[in-house]
Amino acid sequence: GENVEQHPSTLSVQEGDSAVIKCTYSDSASNYFPWYKQELGKGPQLIIDIRSNVGEKKDQRIAVTLNKTAKHFSLHITETQPEDSAVYFCAASIGNAGNMLTFGGGTRLMVKP
Amino acid sequence: NAGVTQTPKFQVLKTGQSMTLQCAQDMNHEYMSWYRQDPGMGLRLIHYSVGAGITDQGEVPNGYNVSRSTTEDFPLRLLSAAPSQTSVYFCASSYTTGGRGYTFGSGTRLTVV
Repeated sequence: GENVEQHPSTLSVQEGDSAVIKCTYSDSASNYFPWYKQELGKGPQLIIDIRSNVGEKKDQRIAVTLNKTAKHFSLHITETQPEDSAVYFCAASIGNAGNMLTFGGGTRLMVKP
Repeated sequence: NAGVTQTPKFQVLKTGQSMTLQCAQDMNHEYMSWYRQDPGMGLRLIHYSVGAGITDQGEVPNGYNVSRSTTEDFPLRLLSAAPSQTSVYFCASSYTTGGRGYTFGSGTRLTVV
């Protein structure tokens, strides 16, 4: 089955700096790659996603890049703010395979004011 | 519009006890899933359903049962609780396949002693 590795497990940045979280996946059939943000005591919330026919997607301060050949994708957050502090998860799925997402292990991002 | 509602929020069980974690959604989503979240391991799929009357196993189904008698409800049953089932459990629903468009509940924190 699919295996998703996520790095780093913790990331500390100064407010205003950029943060990058990287994930690799194993199944070349995967074609959907979402990123989730989880705040303390809450469920994960989708913040951005990308499909395999797209190399990059941006939404304000957040961007995701995908390299299908290398089977890795990354989350980029620019101009970080304290409210960006949370746990971020990457995930991968085969779009027509039931309802299954395979998640990475998570990255705890801390933005210091 | 409540989204995905999970009850209870917290539960302590003794080894060998059984219980049901409730999940209800009011978005008329066909697809529902149960995940467990353990430190450093991301979220792992327990069971999922693609519609009323249809369920299937995920990555870690042992020790859990599910049923889907209505579109709205997807309860998760622990048959005989074990300490290894101490975790945070999330229910999610979606309007489409492949893990896209997930809405997560706020979770149930279960401790088995």
